[in-house]
Amino acid sequence: EAGVAQSPRYKIIEKRQSVAFWCNPISGHATLYWYQQILGQGPKLLIQFQNNGVVDDSQLPKDRFSAERLKGVDSTLKIQPAKLEDSAVYLCASSPAVSSITGNTIYFGEGSWLTVV
Amino acid sequence: QKEVEQDPGPLSVPEGAIVSLNCTYSNSAFQYFMWYRQYSRKGPELLMYTYSSGNKEDGRFTAQVDKSSKYISLFIRDSQPSDSATYLCAMTNYGQNFVFGPGTRLSVLP
Repeated sequence: EAGVAQSPRYKIIEKRQSVAFWCNPISGHATLYWYQQILGQGPKLLIQFQNNGVVDDSQLPKDRFSAERLKGVDSTLKIQPAKLEDSAVYLCASSPAVSSITGNTIYFGEGSWLTVV
Repeated sequence: QKEVEQDPGPLSVPEGAIVSLNCTYSNSAFQYFMWYRQYSRKGPELLMYTYSSGNKEDGRFTAQVDKSSKYISLFIRDSQPSDSATYLCAMTNYGQNFVFGPGTRLSVLP
């Protein structure tokens, strides 16, 4: 079974520029997450989708971050304009339907490493 | 008080040692508990998954959950240099809210 796919793996941009990250979840997984992980810290949830609807975006800095999940499958996370403090790894994750027993865990992609200079 | 606390380490042990990694949490609503292993420049990889209190064993790894104390542990027996990574604990209340610890960095020295 293919895992969560993310691209690009690495990106270096200047502050005030924009960047977009793409994610393709595990086939059949209804729930998709974007996490931000700063070096030395645990992942912090940015946004959670259930199919193509937003479940939780309370920690998403909406003035600069946006995300969408087209047709309930792939997702894109965009940052515009980027700040120095956005340097982090952006992890996409997915899980089966919440109602299933295995819906209570999540599977991560390899991450997209962002450096803002 | 943070929702999930975990000693960041680094923790250095000799090869073959038994490693104990721990997390404490404050929200009694958490029912499912996970341990992830994260190698440098990689995404977190699911290692162990347990429900409620009790023990679960998988090869050299044992996960323990004590809900009465709000304390979870991961034991690694016969540790290997390939176990060197950051270990993240995570927990959720029926998949609605996943919370992660900051991770413990482990080094197993040959």
